Amino acid sequence: EVQLQQSGAELVRPGALVKLSCKASGFNIKDYYMHWVKQRPEQGLEWIGWIDPENGNTIYDPKFQGKASITADTSSNTAYLQLSSLTSEDTAVYYCARGGLLWYPYWGQGTLVTVSA
Amino acid sequence: NIMMTQSPSSLAVSAGEKVTMSCKSSQSVLYSSNQKNYLAWYQQKPGQSPKLLIYWASTRESGVPDRFTGSGSGTDFTLTISSVQAEDLAVYYCHQYLSSRTFGGGTKLEIK
Repeated sequence: EVQLQQSGAELVRPGALVKLSCKASGFNIKDYYMHWVKQRPEQGLEWIGWIDPENGNTIYDPKFQGKASITADTSSNTAYLQLSSLTSEDTAVYYCARGGLLWYPYWGQGTLVTVSA
Repeated sequence: NIMMTQSPSSLAVSAGEKVTMSCKSSQSVLYSSNQKNYLAWYQQKPGQSPKLLIYWASTRESGVPDRFTGSGSGTDFTLTISSVQAEDLAVYYCHQYLSSRTFGGGTKLEIK
């Protein structure tokens, strides 16, 4: 069974950075692009970017260039999203999703990041 | 980037009614080489992750009830729920995957 298990909620200070994880089971992440999506409170979905875990190549939406960094560890079958220089605009739920296909049949449960002093 | 605009932003219907919601793209998402529309629909229930309903604009994902139908081509798309059930309370998002990835702002479906 395909599962994406994301790390727990984070409360972080403005200006700090945070690293979220997405551990996959039921498939090898080397075989699929791994995507990240942002959802601000009561707002819609924003695509952040993807990584090809086999070679580490990444693509980001221009809006998230410099803000987000996506990495992957194939030995632990886990994808990561690091967010830097956090502001209140970064308060959101962040989802990982399995790519490979062009759409997303599998999503993680989401990680809530709250940026607050 | 291709912009996706959904309407209405919210609607309320009674169980058993038919519902249609619209998604328009700023550029065509029809790929001429294969004549496929690079568009998907997702359902997000309160407190849950999005769930894939439709891809290629009209192909229902396995296990999705047949009361959900996707249609349209080019820049204009529609998601229809033939007979709304109480469990369909959710926000519905369209998603283009022709050029990078973008989502619509969502249509919130409420049950009267």
